[in-house]
Amino acid sequence: EAQVTQNPRYLITVTGKKLTVTCSQNMNHEYMSWYRQDPGLGLRQIYYSMNVEVTDKGDVPEGYKVSRKEKRNFPLILESPSPNQTSLYFCASSLFPTGSSYEQYFGPGTRLTVT
Amino acid sequence: EDQVTQSPEALRLQEGESSSLNCSYTVSGLRGLFWYRQDPGKGPEFLFTLYSAGEEKEKERLKATLTKKESFLHITAPKPEDSATYLCAATSGAGSYQLTFGKGTKLSVIP
Repeated sequence: EAQVTQNPRYLITVTGKKLTVTCSQNMNHEYMSWYRQDPGLGLRQIYYSMNVEVTDKGDVPEGYKVSRKEKRNFPLILESPSPNQTSLYFCASSLFPTGSSYEQYFGPGTRLTVT
Repeated sequence: EDQVTQSPEALRLQEGESSSLNCSYTVSGLRGLFWYRQDPGKGPEFLFTLYSAGEEKEKERLKATLTKKESFLHITAPKPEDSATYLCAATSGAGSYQLTFGKGTKLSVIP
C-alpha cells in the first residue's frame, strides 16, 4: 500500500530535549516536505526536499533541521524544542513537481507537545 | 510573497443545498493550484490540481474551477459525509517549489 508513515504519532517532551520525528514513504517520490498546522494559522511549510541531499527552507524553518540522506526518508529534527513548537506536524511526498505529477500524499500527523 | 486566502472560514449547509467555496491567490507565475480535503485528526487528502485559467475538474459532487485570480470549489447536492475542512494551496513559478496553503473552509453538512 502506497503510504507516508510518521513516527511517533504523539510526543510530549520538555524544553531543550532534542528530538527527531521520522518520515518515510514507499512510493519512490523525489519531493518530500514537512508542515506544521496550528489553529488559526493553517498549514505552513517548514522545509522541503526535491531529492537526496537537496533541501530548502519553507515559510517557518527557524528551530528545525532536516536531512535527506536516502530517497525514502526525511526526518525532522528539533535540536532544542521550545513551547512555541507545540503543534501538529505533517510529512508529505510527491513525484518531482513537473507536469501533472504534483499530487502530495500526507502522513497521518505527529502531535507534539513541548512543556 | 505568495498569499492564499479562503472564504468563508466556515460554512453550514443543509443536505442537498449546493454552494461554493472560494480561494483567492496572489502568486507570481502560478504553476499549480491544489485542493485538499482534511478530516479531523488526519492528514490532508488530495482532490484536484488546476494549472491554467479556465480549467475545470470534477469528482463526484465536487467541481473545481480556476480563474486568473481565484479558484472555486463547487459542491453540488452535498451529503453529510462531505463535511470536512477544504484546503486550497498554490505554488509559484518563481524558481521555488514552496507550497503555500490557505487557512481552509470548514464545511458542515446537516442531514
